[in-house]
Amino acid sequence: RKEVEQDPGPFNVPEGATVAFNCTYSNSASQSFFWYRQDCRKEPKLLMSVYSSGNEDGRFTAQLNRASQYISLLIRDSKLSDSATYLCVVNENAGNMLTFGGGTRLMVKP
Amino acid sequence: DAGVTQSPTHLIKTRGQQVTLRCSPKSGHDTVSWYQQALGQGPQFIFQYYEEEERQRGNFPDRFSGHQFPNYSSELNVNALLLGDSALYLCASSSSIGLGRNSYEQYFGPGTRLTVT
Repeated sequence: RKEVEQDPGPFNVPEGATVAFNCTYSNSASQSFFWYRQDCRKEPKLLMSVYSSGNEDGRFTAQLNRASQYISLLIRDSKLSDSATYLCVVNENAGNMLTFGGGTRLMVKP
Repeated sequence: DAGVTQSPTHLIKTRGQQVTLRCSPKSGHDTVSWYQQALGQGPQFIFQYYEEEERQRGNFPDRFSGHQFPNYSSELNVNALLLGDSALYLCASSSSIGLGRNSYEQYFGPGTRLTVT
C-alpha cells in the first residue's frame, strides 16, 4: 500500500468549474500536510500548507481530516492556468522527509 | 531574493559513470533535501542535510551520497550509474527554525534532468 495515495486522473473540467481532489495517507503520526502544484517538466511549487482547521487561499481551499487520514483540495472557478499536476504531500517528522503522492492531473478546457 | 538554484540543468551520462549535481538553497535556509522524480511519478526522498551532516535518508543505495558545505549549498553524487537512475533530481531547501504555521515548508529548485545511456 502506498503511503500517500491520490487518484491520478486526469480530471478534465471546463473553465469556471469547481473541482475537488482527495488524498489519503497511511501514517497516523504524520505531522504536516501540503499541496504542491507541478507543471509539465518543471519543479513542484508549494501551493498551500494544510492545517487541521482547514484553510483557504483565494479560489483554493484545503481540508484535513486526521481521524480519516484524508486531505482534500477544492479549486473554485477553474482557470486555464490551473492546468497542472497537483501533488499531495505528507511530512511525518517536522522538518524532514516529504512523502509525495503520485499526483493528480488537472486539465481545464475553454 | 534568490530562490533555490541547481546545476547543471541537463546531463547525459553513460552506465557506470559517476555524476555530481549541485544545489544552492534559498536565502535564509540552512537545510537541503534531495529527491528523485521518475517520469510520471511523485518525487522520492533521497536524503536531507543539515549542519553539514546527513540527517535522514530514504530508501536509496549507498551509490547515492551527498555533502553540505558551510555556506549551506549541497552536492549529490551518484556512482556506478544505472539506466534506472535516469530521472529529474530535485533539491529542496527549508529552514530549521520553525516560524509559525509556515515552518518546515520546503521549496524546490528547477531540478537537474539526468539521462543515463
